[in-house]
Amino acid sequence: QQPVQSPQAVILREGEDAVINCSSSKALYSVHWYRQKHGEAPVFLMILLKGGEQKGHDKISASFNEKKQQSSLYLTASQLSYSGTYFCGTPRVSGTYKYIFGTGTRLKVLA
Amino acid sequence: DVKVTQSSRYLVKRTGEKVFLECVQDMDHENMFWYRQDPGLGLRLIYFSYDVKMKEKGDIPEGYSVSREKKERFSLILESASTNQTSMYLCASSLMGLREAKNIQYFGAGTRLSVL
Repeated sequence: QQPVQSPQAVILREGEDAVINCSSSKALYSVHWYRQKHGEAPVFLMILLKGGEQKGHDKISASFNEKKQQSSLYLTASQLSYSGTYFCGTPRVSGTYKYIFGTGTRLKVLA
Repeated sequence: DVKVTQSSRYLVKRTGEKVFLECVQDMDHENMFWYRQDPGLGLRLIYFSYDVKMKEKGDIPEGYSVSREKKERFSLILESASTNQTSMYLCASSLMGLREAKNIQYFGAGTRLSVL
């Protein structure tokens, strides 16, 4: 069962904030976040390894709630360059290199 | 700079044709993956390979096969293309690391396949 992301799509104006959620019906052992800009390869953003962990990268940060089996990606003061599809991924089994990815969230930032 | 290259960005094929999608990585990664990407469904794993000539089925292997004769190259084969295989196909590779921090996947830009 793949993780479900919400919202499925979101449109923002530059400078606005957004939250993308990744929820799983199974345990999340760790969470990867990727972004795919239109016509480009998905690119790794960050990994959260432990429950309660929070990470930040520029104005993009993420949290991981192991008990709730969910992770959230926070985009603050969004820029045009943030537009793309975001997706989360998690190992199918702890320690494995086979991942299952979320349903994806399309984000568009308007000027 | 790490690189995963997919041979074609766009392909148009006819129903029943045999289709080959090629992927090459230059990072000496052990693991390689083929995914299918559809709106609302995200990335779904078709096949996975962890070594030369080794493969495992993913979630949606029906209608597909793969070949890995060399470490750097992983091919996806549609034996007899059908219209429901029209999709974006993404290849990825990763290290075979015991620590999950090493299991970052590096993706190609994708091949958009249309089957008419």
